Amino acid sequence: NAGVTQTPKFRILKIGQSMTLQCTQDMNHNYMYWYRQDPGMGLKLIYYSVGAGITDKGEVPNGYNVSRSTTEDFPLRLELAAPSQTSVYFCASRNRDLGTGELFFGEGSRLTVL
Amino acid sequence: KQEVTQIPAALSVPEGENLVLNCSFTDSAIYNLQWFRQDPGKGLTSLLLIQSSQREQTSGRLNASLDKSSGRSTLYIAASQPGDSATYLCAPSSNTGKLIFGQGTTLQVKP
Repeated sequence: NAGVTQTPKFRILKIGQSMTLQCTQDMNHNYMYWYRQDPGMGLKLIYYSVGAGITDKGEVPNGYNVSRSTTEDFPLRLELAAPSQTSVYFCASRNRDLGTGELFFGEGSRLTVL
Repeated sequence: KQEVTQIPAALSVPEGENLVLNCSFTDSAIYNLQWFRQDPGKGLTSLLLIQSSQREQTSGRLNASLDKSSGRSTLYIAASQPGDSATYLCAPSSNTGKLIFGQGTTLQVKP
């Protein structure tokens, strides 16, 4: 199993550019999450999804959009990138209805906006 | 609205000490609570997961307890080692599916 896969691992954007961070999981998990982590800080929830076609805002959703058209994929879209979006982004997933509900993380995507 | 607080924010201890990290949360309607470890510049490693119906979980020198009614969890580390130096994060999962993290406790264990 690949688990949770995030791409790209690193990216540099110019102010005003747009991009999509990809997240795919192969564990048939129904719940998926996007977090950002600024240097020296904890994780802040951006958006989450409890199933295909359902998304909801987290703590810091402004400047981001998500979609969940399939169970496997949960892309995070940044429109009009700003320096404040420089951060490390983590995608995570879990199965809420089966097993322990343990949360699994991707390796992270480091984004710099200049 | 779930709020998660971890105390202390930072901790420095000599090797061999037993220590307790605290996590408190405001919404006690949780599904489970998970403790993670994060090394500098790295991703998160799951340490322990406690279901809402459980009181504690143990893994090696780590023991996590959960008191759901009072909104508290503790992570106990026995006989600390320099390799335990890292940031420890707790994440109570609400019944709605929303999963908020605490700010973490940064632990330094000195040889």
